[in-house]
Amino acid sequence: DSGVTQTPKHLITATGQRVTLRCSPRSGDLSVYWYQQSLDQGLQFLIQYYNGEERAKGNILERFSAQQFPDLHSELNLSSLELGDSALYFCASSVEGISTDTQYFGPGTRLTVL
Amino acid sequence: AQTVTQSQPEMSVQEAETVTLSCTYDTSESDYYLFWYKQPPSRQMILVIRQEAYKQQNATENRFSVNFQKAAKSFSLKISDSQLGDAAMYFCACSDSRGGSEKLVFGKGTKLTVNP
Repeated sequence: DSGVTQTPKHLITATGQRVTLRCSPRSGDLSVYWYQQSLDQGLQFLIQYYNGEERAKGNILERFSAQQFPDLHSELNLSSLELGDSALYFCASSVEGISTDTQYFGPGTRLTVL
Repeated sequence: AQTVTQSQPEMSVQEAETVTLSCTYDTSESDYYLFWYKQPPSRQMILVIRQEAYKQQNATENRFSVNFQKAAKSFSLKISDSQLGDAAMYFCACSDSRGGSEKLVFGKGTKLTVNP
């Protein structure tokens, strides 16, 4: 158990819908990362937050957004869902969000868009 | 662009034997970190081992060790005394500090099968 929690574990929804994925980082970690794992694209970085502020964006679609709250939990919002958004979404956390940190991953949320 | 290549989509090993998984990477950064993560059927991403690029000594964690060749940009993982529980997807990753982020760039993974 990495100490990073993600809810829900599974999510099944229809095209055009909106969903919210939630992540709680390890105790003491200030930085949260979101990654998408799909069969065709592999594991790709979406976005990083540090202590409530967005630090960097990766290959995140405009239909997707995220935020980190004062209690440091984070939410990833996916809207106008398409079939191709079906994937495993991971949250990871690290202490300071710098290269000397190790990122610890949560168990992931499996999103299926029908 | 930063890239990580795992040239072996699948590997197999007999229980108690040794296996080496290959990884090469390309980075323009002088200070970076390399990782191996394990993803068993449960899908959880589990850190196996980490290597700081400025360290010449290869990292070791129990039965897991790496062969880090900085000039060749190679970072292979050796698993000794393989166990059935080692069966999983293994991902090699490199830190990427460009753009103010400390994200990880992952390879496509190697599926390891352990035969009893």
